[in-house]
Amino acid sequence: DTGVSQDPRHKITKRGQNVTFRCDPISEHNRLYWYRQTLGQGPEFLTYFQNEAQLEKSRLLSDRFSAERPKGSFSTLEIQRTEQGDSAMYLCASSTRNLQQFFGPGTRLTVL
Amino acid sequence: AQSVSQHNHHVILSEAASLELGCNYSYGGTVNLFWYVQYPGQHLQLLLKYFSGDPLVKGIKGFEAEFIKSKFSFNLRKPSVQWSDTAEYFCAVNAPGGNNDMRFGAGTRLTVKP
Repeated sequence: DTGVSQDPRHKITKRGQNVTFRCDPISEHNRLYWYRQTLGQGPEFLTYFQNEAQLEKSRLLSDRFSAERPKGSFSTLEIQRTEQGDSAMYLCASSTRNLQQFFGPGTRLTVL
Repeated sequence: AQSVSQHNHHVILSEAASLELGCNYSYGGTVNLFWYVQYPGQHLQLLLKYFSGDPLVKGIKGFEAEFIKSKFSFNLRKPSVQWSDTAEYFCAVNAPGGNNDMRFGAGTRLTVKP
């Protein structure tokens, strides 16, 4: 399968714990995006990388959230001191230049 | 800031009925427009996209959409739906030449009764 992959697919954690998610984009794609999707809503943009550079961050991305793409390939999204409001599906997408984005299956986070 | 409105939250149709899902966007400049579909238990997949040219865009599985610039609309249509079209449909917009972050509508859940 040469699509976008995300790991883990599901994560259950207790409030206050830190969690980290991984995204592996399609190999030739230099752009990578993170979105958050809650029930009954469309995906909301969180942040964007072009190669290893993080070029844009939404105001939704509080200081408890950090994303990296150290070698311009896979990316990680870390949430520190999780809160119940962080429960959502976290989606990763990748693209080349200004073309369509290909989405991964998402990581569903449940904060108890 | 860009925003996208999808007017119908849940649409229920019988097989063979015609479908039209509304999408309006708010953005003053040139836009790229997309419809994504999410089948139950699956990830988002692109149905069709509009970048420029013919405003009537044909996508996969018999879907089409029409870009009407004067109405800031990009409605999705299908002449005859099938049970397998049951899914969530999302309209999205981004600005070409920018950072390409996508703005999505809240989605329309389509249920097709056999």
